[in-house]
Amino acid sequence: DTAVSQTPKYLVTQMGNDKSIKCEQNLGHDTMYWYKQDSKKFLKIMFSYNNKELIINETVPNRFSPKSPDKAHLNLHINSLELGDSAVYFCASSQDSWITSTDTQYFGPGTRLTVL
Amino acid sequence: GEDVEQSLFLSVREGDSSVINCTYTDSSSTYLYWYKQEPGAGLQLLTYIFSNMDMKQDQRLTVLLNKKDKHLSLRIADTQTGDSAIYFCAESKNQAGTALIFGKGTTLSVSS
Repeated sequence: DTAVSQTPKYLVTQMGNDKSIKCEQNLGHDTMYWYKQDSKKFLKIMFSYNNKELIINETVPNRFSPKSPDKAHLNLHINSLELGDSAVYFCASSQDSWITSTDTQYFGPGTRLTVL
Repeated sequence: GEDVEQSLFLSVREGDSSVINCTYTDSSSTYLYWYKQEPGAGLQLLTYIFSNMDMKQDQRLTVLLNKKDKHLSLRIADTQTGDSAIYFCAESKNQAGTALIFGKGTTLSVSS
């Protein structure tokens, strides 16, 4: 009955490879997000999607491409992985605030990506 | 610009109260949040406060908001060793798809 789930939990790969991280939420939320947490634990938004439409696209390299096949899923594909991509990636979801008065974000367990 | 500041470390003894402080710069923020991250785990929502409130209490947690000074605090009463974690303050404009702006997190260490 996990609310926001991510796969895989750990991902170890070589530089130059292409990899994907998947996220699913069963909360019926309309908005999903990807955040990156660096080695100093700093959390920064990467993307957000509302009803499958891209809302936020922060200054993230083009090698990162989010894909939202439906409202419940937001996947992150990364091309040509670099050492600096090593981080923990968190998916989150929220309901529109006109429905619930607050757009509280609920986070997945994170995917720890290590690029060798 | 948007910025959220927190002190990086806090060390307390079991049974004492912990107070974690946060300052933010964006006066248009409508909700302020506290998240907890245990080692190797995800972000757990602890509590949040609407910007027109001064205080919110939830069991051992008390959130105080001084909107004039843009200062937010989280008080944990009777701190336990299980409270040891990183605590993140975050602000939100409460619009669909807008990002949470996080502080760098305060590492709370509780000794027995």
